[in-house]
Amino acid sequence: AQSVTQLDSQVPVFEEAPVELRCNYSSSVSVYLFWYVQYPNQGLQLLLKYLSGSTLVKGINGFEAEFNKSQTSFHLRKPSVHISDTAEYFCAVSDPRTGGFKTIFGAGTRLFVKA
Amino acid sequence: DTGVSQNPRHKITKRGQNVTFRCDPISEHNRLYWYRQTLGQGPEFLTYFQNEAQLEKSRLLSDRFSAERPKGSFSTLEIQRTEQGDSAMYLCASGLDGYEQYFGPGTRLTVT
Repeated sequence: AQSVTQLDSQVPVFEEAPVELRCNYSSSVSVYLFWYVQYPNQGLQLLLKYLSGSTLVKGINGFEAEFNKSQTSFHLRKPSVHISDTAEYFCAVSDPRTGGFKTIFGAGTRLFVKA
Repeated sequence: DTGVSQNPRHKITKRGQNVTFRCDPISEHNRLYWYRQTLGQGPEFLTYFQNEAQLEKSRLLSDRFSAERPKGSFSTLEIQRTEQGDSAMYLCASGLDGYEQYFGPGTRLTVT
């Protein structure tokens, strides 16, 4: 069965500093990978996705993630964060063999950007 | 594109009562998903519809839970004989024949 581990439950960082949110998954087959963001009192919004091709994926709001098959990781990065990036971030995985519809989410990482 | 809407946004009910939630997906989206999210956790997959067909149902979804999507448009999630453990945020998402999911704001259920 697939699973997702987000290694940090909370990440505090100062504004304009770089940030990395870590995500590891377990799966014996190829996967689709996603990062979603949830701002306070809002629904989840897709930041970026990896389906195939280039292992470096660029998303919205200046975020990017790198798929590392050997380390089964999909870490999210941003070179310079803003106060407005404060939110909950979820890593997720789905199985292409099932049409990719059953998505397994990690427990989330709360990013707190300080002035 | 008015987004995915869910009603009600909040529901407080007594244990043992039945509740029903509604999800209106983005029009023309053929895929519809239900998730449950508890505090400090990510969304847990409950069920999936492609058009009006319910193609997958999680083992988390006990016999007290039922979901429908008549005519492939809106969907309802009903919980019968609610228990305190059912207290959670219930999320709906929709999508096209791809893998991106558009989430609604959720319905927060509190069972007293």
